[in-house]
Amino acid sequence: AQSVSQHNHHVILSEAASLELGCNYSYGGTVNLFWYVQYPGQHLQLLLKYFSGDPLVKGIKGFEAEFIKSKFSFNLRKPSVQWSDTAEYFCAVKGEYGNKLVFGAGTILRVKS
Amino acid sequence: GEEVAQTPKHLVRGEGQKAKLYCAPIKGHSYVFWYQQVLKNEFKFLISFQNENVFDETGMPKERFSAKCLPNSPCSLEIQATKLEDSAVYFCASSQNPLANPGGYTFGSGTRLTVV
Repeated sequence: AQSVSQHNHHVILSEAASLELGCNYSYGGTVNLFWYVQYPGQHLQLLLKYFSGDPLVKGIKGFEAEFIKSKFSFNLRKPSVQWSDTAEYFCAVKGEYGNKLVFGAGTILRVKS
Repeated sequence: GEEVAQTPKHLVRGEGQKAKLYCAPIKGHSYVFWYQQVLKNEFKFLISFQNENVFDETGMPKERFSAKCLPNSPCSLEIQATKLEDSAVYFCASSQNPLANPGGYTFGSGTRLTVV
């Protein structure tokens, strides 16, 4: 069975600081990987996704993530965060044969202005 | 429409009462998923449907929880005899075909169930 581990539950940064949120997954086969964002009181929105090809994926709002197969990782990055990036971020994985997403526990990001 | 519509937004039930949540998927999406998010923790998969057929129910508690997706009606998730531990936000998502289009999930805004 697939599982997803997000290393940090809470992250606090000042505006303009760089962000990296860790995500590791366990699954032996081909995976699709996702990062979602949940702003306070809102539903999940897709930031970016990886299916195949270039392991560096660029998403919306200046976010990017790198798939490192040898490390089973898919870390999310942003060079310079803004106050409006305050939200909870979820990493998710889908195996090649299933149709459901398996989520990590989430990382709450607070950006101080 | 282009959004997954979940109703009600908030639901309060006394312990032992029944709770019923609804989800209208995006038109044309044949897959529906239910997830439970407890106390801002991870999303727990409950069940998925392909049209009106159960596709994967490995996450559904065997007792008290049931779900349906009937033609021309919103999908529903029903909890009989609610318990305090059922308090959570229940999210619905829909997709055209997640096997062929893995990124095509759209989530609803959720129903916050509070059991008192």
